[in-house]
Amino acid sequence: AQSVSQHNHHVILSEAASLELGCNYSYGGTVNLFWYVQYPGQHLQLLLKYFSGDPLVKGIKGFEAEFIKSKFSFNLRKPSVQWSDTAEYFCAVRSSGGYQKVTFGIGTKLQVIP
Amino acid sequence: NAGVMQNPRHLVRRRGQEARLRCSPMKGHSHVYWYRQLPEEGLKFMVYLQKENIIDESGMPKERFSAEFPKEGPSILRIQQVVRGDSAAYFCASSPDLGQAMQETQYFGPGTRLLVL
Repeated sequence: AQSVSQHNHHVILSEAASLELGCNYSYGGTVNLFWYVQYPGQHLQLLLKYFSGDPLVKGIKGFEAEFIKSKFSFNLRKPSVQWSDTAEYFCAVRSSGGYQKVTFGIGTKLQVIP
Repeated sequence: NAGVMQNPRHLVRRRGQEARLRCSPMKGHSHVYWYRQLPEEGLKFMVYLQKENIIDESGMPKERFSAEFPKEGPSILRIQQVVRGDSAAYFCASSPDLGQAMQETQYFGPGTRLLVL
C-alpha cells in the first residue's frame, strides 16, 4: 500500500522567506505526484503535478517541486513567500499502474507573517 | 464551465439521523471520488464511482455508509444513523474519462462540513 509523509505539520515564515515543504512517499512502482493547496475556507486546488519527464515541475503562483526518485521525495519550494500563501498544503501520490486512487499526506499548515 | 458542486456546504444532524451529501461532477467528468477529512488529519479516500458502478469502496466504513452515482443526477454519499465521530468535512472530486486513466487529474469540490450534535 502506498503512503505519504509530510514532515512539517505547521510552518511559520515571514514574508519574503524561502519555503520548502517536505514530502516522502512509499511505493515501489511508478507514481504520479501532486501538491494541492487549501486556502482558508476554500476547497482543494491543484498546485502542480508530476507524471513523467522533467523531474522539476513548475506550478501556479511561483511554486515548484522536484521529484527525486532515489529519495522517494517530492518537496515543494517557493523562493519568496507572500502573506497570501497562508494555507494548508497537501502532498498526494497515485500509483500510475492502477486506477486513480490517490493517497494524501496529513497536510502542512503554512502561516506567513507580514 | 462550473467546477465540482457539492451541497449542502454545511449540514447539522443529531445523533441517529441520516445525512445525505450530494456531489455534481464537472461537466464531462464521469469519475467521482469521495474523501473524508477529520480534524487535524489529511484526506482519507472513501470510495470511487463511475456512472452506476462502484469501482473501489475500500475506504468506506463497513456499516452505515453508502454511495451511489446514478445514470442521471448527482452522486450521493449517505450516512445512516450518524454518530458524533462522523463529524468531518467530506470532499468530492471528479475526473474526466479521456481514455488515459493514468493522466487524469482530480478536481475537488468545496466540501460539505457535517456536524453531528
